[in-house]
Amino acid sequence: DAGVIQSPRHEVTEMGQEVTLRCKPISGHNSLFWYRQTMMRGLELLIYFNNNVPIDDSGMPEDRFSAKMPNASFSTLKIQPSEPRDSAVYFCASSLTGIKMGEQYFGPGTRLTVT
Amino acid sequence: QKEVEQNSGPLSVPEGAIASLNCTYSDRGSQSFFWYRQYSGKSPELIMSIYSNGDKEDGRFTAQLNKASQYVSLLIRDSQPSDSATYLCAVKDSSASKIIFGSGTRLSIRP
Repeated sequence: DAGVIQSPRHEVTEMGQEVTLRCKPISGHNSLFWYRQTMMRGLELLIYFNNNVPIDDSGMPEDRFSAKMPNASFSTLKIQPSEPRDSAVYFCASSLTGIKMGEQYFGPGTRLTVT
Repeated sequence: QKEVEQNSGPLSVPEGAIASLNCTYSDRGSQSFFWYRQYSGKSPELIMSIYSNGDKEDGRFTAQLNKASQYVSLLIRDSQPSDSATYLCAVKDSSASKIIFGSGTRLSIRP
């Protein structure tokens, strides 16, 4: 398997623009996670899907952030409008459910810079 | 607020020695514990999972869990320069479907 695939790998955009990050989980994994990592705040869970259904979105910072998982092989994280404080590395991870949900496989990440 | 605490380091260990990384957690009901390694500029990679008290060994890595003390550790034997990375401790929240990550310990293996 190719592992978790994320695109784009780097994104530079101006404040106010819409940003869409994409993720393809590992085939057969039914849990998908979006994380954000910064030096100041470390690795933060934004949202968790199980079987394509959002289970916990308490980490989504505000209404500017939204995430979808239309099918088992694709998810998006959208920021609209983007702000400089959104600059971070965004990771997508996937896993099996139950006791194995902590055994997560991370994608390479998207480094987002908002100017 | 459930927490996972790690010393940020850097922890400097000579090549060939044992590196010991420690983690404490606040959620007494947690049953699943994980160690991830993250090289600079890369994504976290799972290296160990442990679910019961005691030791679990995998090659040069040993995870140790003490639920009574709410303490989990990672030992790396025969440390190599390639072990230099940040190590993230993670704990499954007992009342929610999520993993709580510590802020990580930066390990440096000096030749």
